[in-house]
Amino acid sequence: EAGVTQSPTHLIKTRGQQATLRCSPISGHTSVYWYQQALGLGLQFLLWYDEGEERNRGNFPPRFSGRQFPNYSSELNVNALELEDSALYLCASSFVAQKPNYGYTFGSGTRLTVV
Amino acid sequence: AQKITQTQPGMFVQEKEAVTLDCTYDTSDPSYGLFWYKQPSSGEMIFLIYQGSYDQQNATEGRYSLNFQKARKSANLVISASQLGDSAMYFCAMREAKGYGGSQGNLIFGKGTKLSVKP
Repeated sequence: EAGVTQSPTHLIKTRGQQATLRCSPISGHTSVYWYQQALGLGLQFLLWYDEGEERNRGNFPPRFSGRQFPNYSSELNVNALELEDSALYLCASSFVAQKPNYGYTFGSGTRLTVV
Repeated sequence: AQKITQTQPGMFVQEKEAVTLDCTYDTSDPSYGLFWYKQPSSGEMIFLIYQGSYDQQNATEGRYSLNFQKARKSANLVISASQLGDSAMYFCAMREAKGYGGSQGNLIFGKGTKLSVKP
């Protein structure tokens, strides 16, 4: 069974540009979560999508947005990139009816560098 | 308000010894879940162990155990017989009950503890 896949692995953008990050959840998982991990810091919650709808949002400006497609894959968009947006962006997936003791499955992340 | 606190930025442990990584949390919700994840230098997050707020016994998974003290709001991770491969960042996380009877909801992470195992 394929795990959570994220693309691209690395992304280099110029300040002011837009970045698009993609995530494919494990087959059967309906929830997708996005986290930002700046260098040396913990994971900051960005967005949670389930069944195509945004369920919760972290404390990030509106230029961080996303969506979930009918096949449950998800896209994170970051507009008007700033240098401090440079970070590892991690996606995780889960299934709504699974037992709560099942930890989320994370992808390997997209390393975004803003220059 | 910070909901997950990990007060040890870095820890050292001798190979084959046990080590405890501290985690305290804050929530007013009676239903919540506590998780520990390991993040090696490669970046992937590896799920280690889970403790539910209503679980009567401390969770154990192989060499990992969770010392859950509900009244103190602490959920410390104990790693027994440390191995060199245990060197990594360790994150404590909490999920409060939100929708779907509490089985869903985003995780809130602490800032992590970097564990280094010495040979």
